Amino acid sequence: NAGVTQTPKFQVLKTGQSMTLQCAQDMNHEYMSWYRQDPGMGLRLIHYSVGAGITDQGEVPNGYNVSRSTTEDFPLRLLSAAPSQTSVYFCASTPGSTGELFFGEGSRLTVL
Amino acid sequence: GENVEQHPSTLSVQEGDSAVIKCTYSDSASNYFPWYKQELGKRPQLIIDIRSNVGEKKDQRIAVTLNKTAKHFSLHITETQPEDSAVYFCAASMGGFQKLVFGTGTRLLVSP
Repeated sequence: NAGVTQTPKFQVLKTGQSMTLQCAQDMNHEYMSWYRQDPGMGLRLIHYSVGAGITDQGEVPNGYNVSRSTTEDFPLRLLSAAPSQTSVYFCASTPGSTGELFFGEGSRLTVL
Repeated sequence: GENVEQHPSTLSVQEGDSAVIKCTYSDSASNYFPWYKQELGKRPQLIIDIRSNVGEKKDQRIAVTLNKTAKHFSLHITETQPEDSAVYFCAASMGGFQKLVFGTGTRLLVSP
């Protein structure tokens, strides 16, 4: 199993550009989520999904969209990038039986 | 919503000493409390977790204690080793283990 795969690992955007961070998992986990990690602020939940077709907002959802058309994929879309969205983004999946988050390797996004 | 505070932000110990990291949470309904370890440049990984019906849990050199009345929980690492050096995050659920609120992290440095 590859686990949780995120692409790209690094991305530089200009203010106002849009992009999609891809996330895929091959563990058949029900739950998937996106977190952002900023220095001194820990990990903050952006959006999460409890199954295909079902998504909900976390702590910091503004400026981001998600969809979950399949169990495997959970892309995160930045609609109009802002410098405040410069961060490291982690996708995670969780099996329904436990609470353990399985994280991807992270995507470092810089918005100029 | 849930708020998790974590202390200290940095902790330096000598190899073989014990390390204790403390977290407090605000939502008395929270019932799941994991701890994640993140090595430099890597993804966070679960090291131990505890649920609200348990007061203490141990796994070799690592233990977690939970005081629901006081709304705080702690991570204890005994006989620390240099490879324990990392950032440790506590978290609490806010209505489902896929919706975690993280503390701001503790950077642990174990000196040989």
